[in-house]
This record gives sequence, C-alpha cells and structure tokens, in this order.
Amino acid sequence: KAGVTQTPRYLIKTRGQQVTLSCSPISGHRSVSWYQQTPGQGLQFLFEYFSETQRNKGNFPGRFSGRQFSNSRSEMNVSTLELGDSALYLCASSVGHYSYNEQFFGPGTRLTVL
Amino acid sequence: GNSVTQMEGPVTLSEEAFLTINCTYTATGYPSLFWYVQYPGEGLQLLLKATKADDKGSNKGFEATYRKETTSFHLEKGSVQVSDSAVYFCALSGAGGGADGLTFGKGTHLIIQP
Repeated sequence: KAGVTQTPRYLIKTRGQQVTLSCSPISGHRSVSWYQQTPGQGLQFLFEYFSETQRNKGNFPGRFSGRQFSNSRSEMNVSTLELGDSALYLCASSVGHYSYNEQFFGPGTRLTVL
Repeated sequence: GNSVTQMEGPVTLSEEAFLTINCTYTATGYPSLFWYVQYPGEGLQLLLKATKADDKGSNKGFEATYRKETTSFHLEKGSVQVSDSAVYFCALSGAGGGADGLTFGKGTHLIIQP
C-alpha cells in the first residue's frame, strides 16, 4: 500500500509570493491533517479536512488555507509569504479522526522563504 | 490549552543501555497519548499509543504507561540499539475528539553510540 505522498519535496520562494503544497493520502483514508514544523515552535497543527470539509483549524493567520478534493487529496496554500513561514510542512492521513485512528505522515515539503 | 513537555536533548547513550524519555502533559479531560518517532529525512511514524488511564502502549521493545495521577507518559526501552537513533515526539489528542489536532512536545533527539 503506498504511503502518504507530498509534492514538491522542496520549495524556495521569496517574500510576498504565494505557494501551494499538495498531499495525497493513503488510499481509503478520508482525514488529512497539516502541520508546520520549525526548530523554534516545533510541530504545530494547521488544519484537518474530512470528506472535503475543514473540520478543525489551528491558530494560524488567514494567509494559511487549504482544501480537500473528492478523492481525499488535499492542498494547502500560503499567501503573501513571510520569512517566518520557512518550515517543514507535514501532511498526515488517517481513516477517521486522529484521536482514535493512527495518523500516517508523509515525508514533508521543505519550504524556504528568502 | 493543551501542552506537552519533554526533554529536548540530545540524549546520548551507549548501545544496550536503558532508555527513559520523560513526557508530562497538561490537558482537560481524558486525552489520548502518543509517541511518534522521526528518522532523518522522513516523516513521523507512530511508535505507540494509549487512550485511557493505566493503559500501556508497546511496540518494538518500547513501552509507555498512561499515568493520569502524574499526568505522564514516559517512554522506556530496556536495551537500545544504534538503529533507535532518531527524534522522539510525545503528543496528545484532546478529550472529546480534540478540536485542535495533535499537540506535540518539542521532540527529544536520541543518539545511540556503538
């Protein structure tokens, strides 16, 4: 069974630009969550989608948004990039809610903002 | 809000030594507790979990017991191997389904020397 895939693996952008990251969950998984990982803040929850609906959202500004498609693939978008957005963005999928179902993480997308 | 505290390390041990990584948490209600491991260049993998007080999670020789009275979920292994070198994250999912995703500790970098 293929794991969670994230594309691209690496991205370099400049301040003010926008970026879109993609996540393909494991087949059959309907929940997709996104996390930001930085050396200073550690792992922080961005949002979770289930059946194309955003179910939960972390404490991030509105510049961070996402969506989920009918095939459960998900994208997250960051607009007006800031230097502090440089991070590893991790996607995780699970069959159902992450509280009770194992989350499987992808390898992440490393975003560098110059 | 929810929070997780763990030693950040690095923790350096010799092969076959006994391992303990402390984890304490703050949460309302009865959270589910997890240990995740991240190998270099990879995403997080679930190592073990416990969903109620006094539960013991175990996997690959690692184990942790959910202690509600001390709000702790310490990770232990009797004899570590070089291949256990990685970053270990303690995490919790809030009670009642957890509307704010998984809350992670800062991670503990473990180095096992031959």
